[in-house]
Amino acid sequence: GAGVSQSPRYKVTKRGQDVALRCDPISGHVSLYWYRQALGQGPEFLTYFNYEAQQDKSGLPNDRFSAERPEGSISTLTIQRTEQRDSAMYRCASSLVARRVYNEQFFGPGTRLTVL
Amino acid sequence: ELKVEQNPLFLSMQEGKNYTIYCNYSTTSDRLYWYRQDPGKSLESLFVLLSNGAVKQEGRLMASLDTKARLSTLHITAAVHDLSATYFCAVHSHNAGGTSYGKLTFGQGTILTVHP
Repeated sequence: GAGVSQSPRYKVTKRGQDVALRCDPISGHVSLYWYRQALGQGPEFLTYFNYEAQQDKSGLPNDRFSAERPEGSISTLTIQRTEQRDSAMYRCASSLVARRVYNEQFFGPGTRLTVL
Repeated sequence: ELKVEQNPLFLSMQEGKNYTIYCNYSTTSDRLYWYRQDPGKSLESLFVLLSNGAVKQEGRLMASLDTKARLSTLHITAAVHDLSATYFCAVHSHNAGGTSYGKLTFGQGTILTVHP
């Protein structure tokens, strides 16, 4: 079956613009996660959802970052008034259900965001 | 705050040799994951370790978990060039209120290069 997909794969924007990054999880996966990965680093947690409910947004850096998953499937991560420090790879992952003991997160290919 | 440290960060090995990557974490956790990432690619799940003393093996890779020492190891046996990649450990955490079960905290990654 299809894995986690993300779009766009690459996004170049000018400082001050808003961007929306999309994630389409594996069909049937209840939990969806957003991470940010800087070059040469491990992914850093941003937020996650169970169905449409945002369970944890403790990793969002500031109020310019927001995420939604209105119908419990596709999710959008929005960054308003982008800054150069927002440049990174944004990765989405999904899993069957976060609370299950044997829970495995499957990662998408990522969106490479470059803010000029 | 949960901290995850891997060492070494860079590992250059000759084919046929054995080596171990270490992952230390700072607070109690019920799950630990190992991921592989090839250059320019997404993260591929290798192992999920759930309990103290857990050991899992796949091919030339073997992972173990000591929850008392808060230490996991990834042992590479008779390395081959195809194992060249970046390896991450990731530790699961949930909040005290029990509402967030999805957060993974990643180590910095170990860049493994296997030479002929």
